[in-house]
Parts: sequence; structure tokens; C-alpha cells
Amino acid sequence: QQQVKQSPQSLIVQKGGISIINCAYENTAFDYFPWYQQFPGKGPALLIAIRPDVSEKKEGRFTISFNKSAKQFSLHIMDSQPGDSATYFCAASSTGNQFYFGTGTSLTVIP
Amino acid sequence: GAVVSQHPSRVICKSGTSVKIECRSLDFQATTMFWYRQFPKKSLMLMATSNEGSKATYEQGVEKDKFLINHASLTLSTLTVTSAHPEDSSFYICSASGASGLATQYFGPGTRLLVL
Repeated sequence: QQQVKQSPQSLIVQKGGISIINCAYENTAFDYFPWYQQFPGKGPALLIAIRPDVSEKKEGRFTISFNKSAKQFSLHIMDSQPGDSATYFCAASSTGNQFYFGTGTSLTVIP
Repeated sequence: GAVVSQHPSRVICKSGTSVKIECRSLDFQATTMFWYRQFPKKSLMLMATSNEGSKATYEQGVEKDKFLINHASLTLSTLTVTSAHPEDSSFYICSASGASGLATQYFGPGTRLLVL
């Protein structure tokens, strides 16, 4: 059973546009929600993370929105750039335990 | 901070041989290390979790005798693929997290294994 559901599977955005990737979870014990960015042939790199005590976290062009009641969280990439083209994974965990990853979203930003 | 290295970055070996992959946390002590396998255009598949000084916990379906994991120190974990076969060819990625209760995992750059 997929603990974390991620959508869309792929996304094409024009340069300067907003990229939005969504994730949903079921386990209410989850209390940590990171997003990772992965380039081909490389390991995932932590992008931004949020805990359920806040509804939004922003770091530069990257924002996580968190809706605890709906058990959903999303990544927004503002002013998307071609260099943002990568695969993005959301994840969820309860502190100290294993991460459950989404299935990934392949983002392509076209010039 | 929070840098994790892996060695080698890629390896080609003959069927039947064993391959060892090292994962090191360079600037923090990793009480827990994780080993993942990733197929092309797929998500990360957790293989096992290891805590320093204790036996690894393997996920269902992962053969512990085939994928030997050692976490001998707070900065080093190794994955040995024993008697490798072509179907073991994959991208293997480790991650490390700090003291228990701290949240995130930091990933290594991955190791591409090709078994001929």
C-alpha cells in the first residue's frame, strides 16, 4: 500500500511559471514532510521540509504548503527555471522512523 | 554540512563476483544509515536500515545473505552485493541520519552497479 501518493507523474512548465507538485498521506502519525530533488545519475538532495505545526514554509523560490486536515502537502516552485528540471520526491515520516517516499514527479521547465 | 559520500560511484563486475559499496557521513555522526535501490525513472526502494553497532533490518523481499550490510562506526556503512548477477544491476543509494529523533536523511550520490 502506497503510504504517500504523489501527483502528477510528470510536469512541463514554461520558464518563469509556477510548478506545483502534490502529495497526500494517510498516516496521521507522520510529523515530518521533506521534499527531495534528484538529477539524473545523482542522489536525492534535500530541498525543503516542513512539520505539521505550520501551514507554509518558504525558502527562496520553493514553498511547501501543508494542509493537516486534508492530509495533503504540496511543493510550489516559483519562477521556474530550466535548471529546476529534475525529479522531485515528497516523503513522510514519523520522527526517528523510516521515510515513505512518493513515486516522484519529473519536472521539465522549457525555455 | 550534512555531506554523505559513496564509493565507488560506478562499478562493473562479472557475474558471480562480490561488490562492496561504502557510504560515509563526512561531517556528522550517523546513528542510522539506510540503503536504497532505484530503478530507472522509479522511486526509491528501501532495502534495509542499519543502526551503528547492530544488525541491519531488512525490508520484506530483500535477501539478507545476498545484500550484506555492516554499520561498524558512526560514519561508515557498507553494502556488499554477494555473488552478483545481472538482475542486481541497479543504482544503489545510501542515506544517513543523525541522532535518534532528528528528522532528515541525507543522501549519498549513489553507486551505479552493472553486472555482466
